[in-house]
Amino acid sequence: NAGVTQTPKFQVLKTGQSMTLQCAQDMNHEYMSWYRQDPGMGLRLIHYSVGAGITDQGEVPNGYNVSRSTTEDFPLRLLSAAPSQTSVYFCASTGSADTQYFGPGTRLTVL
Amino acid sequence: AQSVTQPDIHITVSEGASLELRCNYSYGATPYLFWYVQSPGQGLQLLLKYFSGDTLVQGIKGFEAEFKRSQSSFNLRKPSVHWSDAAEYFCAVGAGTGRRALTFGSGTRLQVQP
Repeated sequence: NAGVTQTPKFQVLKTGQSMTLQCAQDMNHEYMSWYRQDPGMGLRLIHYSVGAGITDQGEVPNGYNVSRSTTEDFPLRLLSAAPSQTSVYFCASTGSADTQYFGPGTRLTVL
Repeated sequence: AQSVTQPDIHITVSEGASLELRCNYSYGATPYLFWYVQSPGQGLQLLLKYFSGDTLVQGIKGFEAEFKRSQSSFNLRKPSVHWSDAAEYFCAVGAGTGRRALTFGSGTRLQVQP
């Protein structure tokens, strides 16, 4: 049982490039979410999913796309990276009693 | 929409001293309340949560928190701090059908002096 895994751990992009941050969980949780963490701002919700095929926007969705084709995977796509998207990204899945399990994070730098 | 305020950005305590981290929330009904801890370069670990019932909740690592509806607060406490408690602490709130989409406070960084 690996919990929530995220790849890559670190990534550097140039402005305008696209990429996908991967997130997977092996706990059969229906609810998954993506957050970004910026200094002094805590974590902010980007997108979330309540099950395969169902996604919705969070507080800061602009510039990001998500899809949920399986229960296990919830990738986050940056379509055209901007310096403002430099951040640490956390994926989480929610289990019983609404307890969220967080992945280790992806540190993204956009130049 | 709900919101969370953690008034203290940075707190320093001596090892063995007691600790209280403040958290105030804004929401019309009873929210779901959480405290998470984040060590440097790590993800977040759940310390404790409150959904309903007893307003004093116990968590891991000797932490507890008390829900006070009249003050819209959910302060985190520990009677005796250990050097390993140095980390950043986040209060979070989830509400209603969106209780799984958490709103986080900006965090309190705890430093422990020997």
